[in-house]
Amino acid sequence: AQRVTQPEKLLSVFKGAPVELKCNYSYSGSPELFWYVQYSRQRLQLLLRHISRESIKGFTADLNKGETSFHLKKPFAQEEDSAMYYCALFRTASKLTFGTGTRLQVTL
Amino acid sequence: DVKVTQSSRYLVKRTGEKVFLECVQDMDHENMFWYRQDPGLGLRLIYFSYDVKMKEKGDIPEGYSVSREKKERFSLILESASTNQTSMYLCASSPAVKGGSSYNEQFFGPGTRLTVL
Repeated sequence: AQRVTQPEKLLSVFKGAPVELKCNYSYSGSPELFWYVQYSRQRLQLLLRHISRESIKGFTADLNKGETSFHLKKPFAQEEDSAMYYCALFRTASKLTFGTGTRLQVTL
Repeated sequence: DVKVTQSSRYLVKRTGEKVFLECVQDMDHENMFWYRQDPGLGLRLIYFSYDVKMKEKGDIPEGYSVSREKKERFSLILESASTNQTSMYLCASSPAVKGGSSYNEQFFGPGTRLTVL
């Protein structure tokens, strides 16, 4: 069965500190993974996808098939990074399985 | 700019009422989705539609139905609302998968916070 696990409900870091939001998945095939973000009072939106190997707003995420992980990282947290982050796994026919989400709180 | 709109931001209904949540997208997307978003449970797919009049159950379809009579509009129906359907409901749309692409980004609406008393 496909599953996405985000073990932390809340991650609180200081401004300027490194950030790592954890995501683990279970999937029998070749996975395609994504991070979606929801800022306060804004819509849920795509942040990045592993296949693009891009850095968006300073965030990167590397797919580690051996550890079945897709952790989201940023070297220096900013206040504007405070948001709800969801890891998602591609299913068939354009559908996604979402994790339970991690709220990132960046404090001064 | 893709725009997905939902008919209400906040809705309060009574137990047993029939509830309609409407979603409209203006980008000619084939796929449309209804999710509910609950703290600690994340987003769970209720129903999915990949074309007009075509629908597919998601992970938690019980107590819900959907209607897609026009490509741009996807309605979620709670036949007899219950208190455990109090939640944030998100609609999303995406273009159909074509060619070598296996996935296209989903674009989300602002959400409808439904309270069932």
